[in-house]
Amino acid sequence: AQKITQTQPGMFVQEKEAVTLDCTYDTSDQSYGLFWYKQPSSGEMIFLIYQGSYDEQNATEGRYSLNFQKARKSANLVISASQLGDSAMYFCAMRELNTGTASKLTFGTGTRLQVTL
Amino acid sequence: NAGVTQTPKFQVLKTGQSMTLQCAQDMNHEYMSWYRQDPGMGLRLIHYSVGAGITDQGEVPNGYNVSRSTTEDFPLRLLSAAPSQTSVYFCASSYSIGGGYTFGSGTRLTVV
Repeated sequence: AQKITQTQPGMFVQEKEAVTLDCTYDTSDQSYGLFWYKQPSSGEMIFLIYQGSYDEQNATEGRYSLNFQKARKSANLVISASQLGDSAMYFCAMRELNTGTASKLTFGTGTRLQVTL
Repeated sequence: NAGVTQTPKFQVLKTGQSMTLQCAQDMNHEYMSWYRQDPGMGLRLIHYSVGAGITDQGEVPNGYNVSRSTTEDFPLRLLSAAPSQTSVYFCASSYSIGGGYTFGSGTRLTVV
């Protein structure tokens, strides 16, 4: 069964600094996708970045990058040059891409990031 | 383009009442799902659908029913509300197996 683990309940980072949010996953499938979502205090779920298991390069989207280490089964989110608006809950999620379970997006418990001045 | 629309945004129910949470998407997405979010537990899958007429159970399906008569709509029915169903409910849709899900804005449900 697929499982996502986020071991950091909360993180603090100073404005303009970089921060890494940890995510490890467990799956027996060879084909899967990894996602990061942001949930600000307003409650909506905002898609940030995606990494496919066969992608050779780490995904990047603006200030977000995904540090994908397949052998370690980790998919850490790196936010560069943190901004006050980055303060939010961040969820790591995985989707196995085989036909039987492809509709299931499994989430970790989240990391609450607080950006300080 | 409205994306994923959930109604209502807030709801208070008495124990034993039934209700339907509505979800509609206008992106012609085949995959749709319902999640509930509880403090400290992330989002847990309730039911999902891979297309009109096809639904299946997720991780926490008890007490909920779904149907998918059209591609656009995926309502979630609470049969007999219980305080344990107090939660925030999210509907989400996806266009392909490899794609991410687009989420609705959520429904905050309180059962008293």
